[in-house]
Amino acid sequence: GENVEQHPSTLSVQEGDSAVIKCTYSDSASNYFPWYKQELGKRPQLIIDIRSNVGEKKDQRIAVTLNKTAKHFSLHITETQPEDSAVYFCAASSSGNQFYFGTGTSLTVIP
Amino acid sequence: ETGVTQSPTHLIKTRGQQVTLRCSSQSGHNTVSWYQQALGQGPQFIFQYYREEENGRGNFPPRFSGLQFPNYSSELNVNALELDDSALYLCASRPREVDTEAFFGQGTRLTVV
Repeated sequence: GENVEQHPSTLSVQEGDSAVIKCTYSDSASNYFPWYKQELGKRPQLIIDIRSNVGEKKDQRIAVTLNKTAKHFSLHITETQPEDSAVYFCAASSSGNQFYFGTGTSLTVIP
Repeated sequence: ETGVTQSPTHLIKTRGQQVTLRCSSQSGHNTVSWYQQALGQGPQFIFQYYREEENGRGNFPPRFSGLQFPNYSSELNVNALELDDSALYLCASRPREVDTEAFFGQGTRLTVV
């Protein structure tokens, strides 16, 4: 089955700086890669996703890049704000099947 | 806010007991997956149902079982509860035919004592 690895496990940045979280996956059949933000005690919320036919996607301060050859994808958050503090999970999926999640990155934005 | 609701939100059970957790999905979402999220960990896939049949299973023992109903609701049943079953249980639904986000319910926090 698919194996998703995520790094780093914790990340602290100053407000206004950028944050980068990286994930690798093992199954070349995976073709959908969502990123979820989970605040304490709440459900995971999708923040951005990318499909395998696209190399990069941007939504305001958030961007995701995908390198299919190397089987890795990354989340970039620019101009971080304290409300960006949360746990972020990457995931990989193939054609309507289940998601395989990374182990999560706890992001702290220091005011 | 996602159209996916779970019940109950919190539950305390004794080791050895059985529990049923419920999930109500959005209309048209014919695929539902269940995940177990231990504290400080990522969600771990338990199983997935598509059109009322199980079509994928993670590394969980048979005492974890499920059902999906025609009205887009589903259940997760856990028999012979163990202390390690204490976790947040999440269901997520989506239409299978489209690679799109999974909409998560708010979860059920299960504590086994």
